[in-house]
Amino acid sequence: DGGITQSPKYLFRKEGQNVTLSCEQNLNHDAMYWYRQDPGQGLRLIYYSQIVNDFQKGDIAEGYSVSREKKESFPLTVTSAQKNPTAFYLCASSGRPSSYNEQFFGPGTRLTVL
Amino acid sequence: AQTVTQSQPEMSVQEAETVTLSCTYDTSENNYYLFWYKQPPSRQMILVIRQEAYKQQNATENRFSVNFQKAAKSFSLKISDSQLGDTAMYFCAFKGLSANAGGTSYGKLTFGQGTILTVHP
Repeated sequence: DGGITQSPKYLFRKEGQNVTLSCEQNLNHDAMYWYRQDPGQGLRLIYYSQIVNDFQKGDIAEGYSVSREKKESFPLTVTSAQKNPTAFYLCASSGRPSSYNEQFFGPGTRLTVL
Repeated sequence: AQTVTQSQPEMSVQEAETVTLSCTYDTSENNYYLFWYKQPPSRQMILVIRQEAYKQQNATENRFSVNFQKAAKSFSLKISDSQLGDTAMYFCAFKGLSANAGGTSYGKLTFGQGTILTVHP
C-alpha cells in the first residue's frame, strides 16, 4: 500500500541531545514537508523540500535541520538548539507544488523532552 | 504572507444535525486552493474537501460542503447529518500558487488554528 510512514511513534529526548525523526514515502511524490503541532494549535511549517537535494526553511526552522538525499526520505533532526522541542511532528508529501492534489500526512511522532 | 483564521476554537452538535465551521483567510493572490482537513483523536490528518479559487461552484463531498466566498475571503465547512465519527479537530488550509518558490507560499499549506468539533449522541 502506498503511504507515508514516520518513526518512531513516541520519542524521548534528554536535554542537550540531538534526535532524528524518520519520514519515508512510497507515493513517488516530489515534495515533502515537516510540520510541528503544539497543543490546541494549528500546524506550523518547519522545512520543506520540492526536489531531491534541495530544501527550504519554513516558518519555524531554527533549531531544526533536514536532508533530502533520496526522493523517498526526508529525515528531520531536532538539535539541542531547539529550546522547546516537545511537540507532535507531522511529515507530509505531495505531487507537483502547482497541482490541485492535497498533501498526504504520516501518522506523526510525539517528541517529549525529559 | 498569507494568514488563515478559524474563529471558533470549539463547536458541538447533536448527532444527525448540521453544523458550520468558519474560516477566513487573507491573501493578495488570485489563484489558490483551499482545503479542509480533519484530525480525529488518532491524530491522523485526513483531507475532507478542497476548493479551487477560480471555480465559483462550491465543492461538495457527500455530507460535507463548503461555502466559498472569494470576495469576502471566506471558506466555511458545512457538515450535514453529523455522525459520532465526525468528532475531530478541523483545520482550514490555504495553498498559494505564486510561481516564485523562494520565500513565498508556492506549494506550501498555511493552516488555521483549528476548531474542535464534538458530536453528541
